[in-house]
Amino acid sequence: GQQVMQIPQYQHVQEGEDFTTYCNSSTTLSNIQWYKQRPGGHPVFLIQLVKSGEVKKQKRLTFQFGEAKKNSSLHITATQTTDVGTYFCAGSTSGTYKYIFGTGTRLKVLA
Amino acid sequence: NAGVMQNPRHLVRRRGQEARLRCSPMKGHSHVYWYRQLPEEGLKFMVYLQKENIIDESGMPKERFSAEFPKEGPSILRIQQVVRGDSAAYFCASSPPIGTGGVYGYTFGSGTRLTVV
Repeated sequence: GQQVMQIPQYQHVQEGEDFTTYCNSSTTLSNIQWYKQRPGGHPVFLIQLVKSGEVKKQKRLTFQFGEAKKNSSLHITATQTTDVGTYFCAGSTSGTYKYIFGTGTRLKVLA
Repeated sequence: NAGVMQNPRHLVRRRGQEARLRCSPMKGHSHVYWYRQLPEEGLKFMVYLQKENIIDESGMPKERFSAEFPKEGPSILRIQQVVRGDSAAYFCASSPPIGTGGVYGYTFGSGTRLTVV
C-alpha cells in the first residue's frame, strides 16, 4: 500500500536557526498537504500543493512539491519557540479524498 | 461557527468493554475521516465516510471495530471488547463536499484519548 515517509524523525534547533523536513511517497500523488500538531493538540492544516514543482510561502514557511509529485519539503527560516510541534505531510492519490499521513518530524526549538 | 466536535475528550474502559467515540463534523462538511494515533507516532488512517455510506474502510481492523455516519446525528466509531492495544488518541476530521471548489484541507477535532485498563 501507499507509504509516506518523513525525515528527520526528530530535530532540535537553536532559536533563529533554519529547519527543513522532507517527505517522500512510495507512489505519485495528486496533491500533498502539510499539517502542524502542537504537543497534546490536534493536527492543524497549513497548506495544500497541487502542481508539479509548486512552491508556496507562508511568512517564514516555504513549501515545495517535487517535479515528480512524489516528494515535498517544508522549510522554516529563523525558527521561533512558537514553531515547536510535529509537522506532518499527507498525500492523496487521484480519485480519492483520503490522505495518508507521513511519519512526522518533531521539532524542538531551544531558546 | 463550531469546528469538528469530538466527545468524550478522555475515555477509560476496562478490557472487554465497548468504547463509543462520537464526532460531529464542521457545519457544511459532509466527509468524515477517522485516524488513530499512538503516543509519539503518526496518524494512521482508519475509515472515510459520507452520510450513510462507508467510502473506504481499508484501515479498519477487521474485527471489533466499526464506524457509521447516519443521516442524522454524529459519526460513531465503535470498538467492541477493547484490549490494551486499543489505547490511543482517535482523531476525527471533516472536509467539504466534493465539487465545492477550493482546498479540501481536513479540519480535525480535538480527539478522544482512549485508555484501556
